[in-house]
Amino acid sequence: QKEVEQDPGPLSVPEGAIVSLNCTYSNSAFQYFMWYRQYSRKGPELLMYTYSSGNKEDGRFTAQVDKSSKYISLFIRDSQPSDSATYLCAMTGEYGNKLVFGAGTILRVKS
Amino acid sequence: DGGITQSPKYLFRKEGQNVTLSCEQNLNHDAMYWYRQDPGQGLRLIYYSQIVNDFQKGDIAEGYSVSREKKESFPLTVTSAQKNPTAFYLCASSIVTLGPTGTGELFFGEGSRLTVL
Repeated sequence: QKEVEQDPGPLSVPEGAIVSLNCTYSNSAFQYFMWYRQYSRKGPELLMYTYSSGNKEDGRFTAQVDKSSKYISLFIRDSQPSDSATYLCAMTGEYGNKLVFGAGTILRVKS
Repeated sequence: DGGITQSPKYLFRKEGQNVTLSCEQNLNHDAMYWYRQDPGQGLRLIYYSQIVNDFQKGDIAEGYSVSREKKESFPLTVTSAQKNPTAFYLCASSIVTLGPTGTGELFFGEGSRLTVL
């Protein structure tokens, strides 16, 4: 079993839809949770960062962490064609900087 | 502009050849990393370095080698011992300290795509 599970998709939605992207994990030591966005043939860029449990909102993006269920989510409101990309979840424990990445979910937003 | 520069962007190699991928950063970051990305597998860590002249193996170091002679540079050599080298290689850097007030952000280059013929 992988340490971080993420459905690779692709997930295809119409413009304006609410998108939900999810990851589950098995390591209870994980404390820092991140979402990276990767456009085709580019390097990933950090989108959201959350420490421990709770929600964090930034514009159209909301990150949620439920440590009791070992489950994290990224919600995108009013999705746009420019949101079409691969979304990678990543996480790490308290004393290290070594990230464990999910496989990435391909998102396609159709206009 | 600060950032990470990877070269070459595309590289073709014959079986049995070693190739070296370049990674240079001007962000003054202490830590640098090499990841390999394959379809459906996410990013897997090959090597990382938290300080000059020191580096550690990641999860898939076999068939790869690195050096860290300068803070700005972290080249990766894909040797002939790597059985399946065709992949997208990403270099990244970060400020080493990770904490509640830090972002823990990895800054990535644009990647190098290696194809073995």
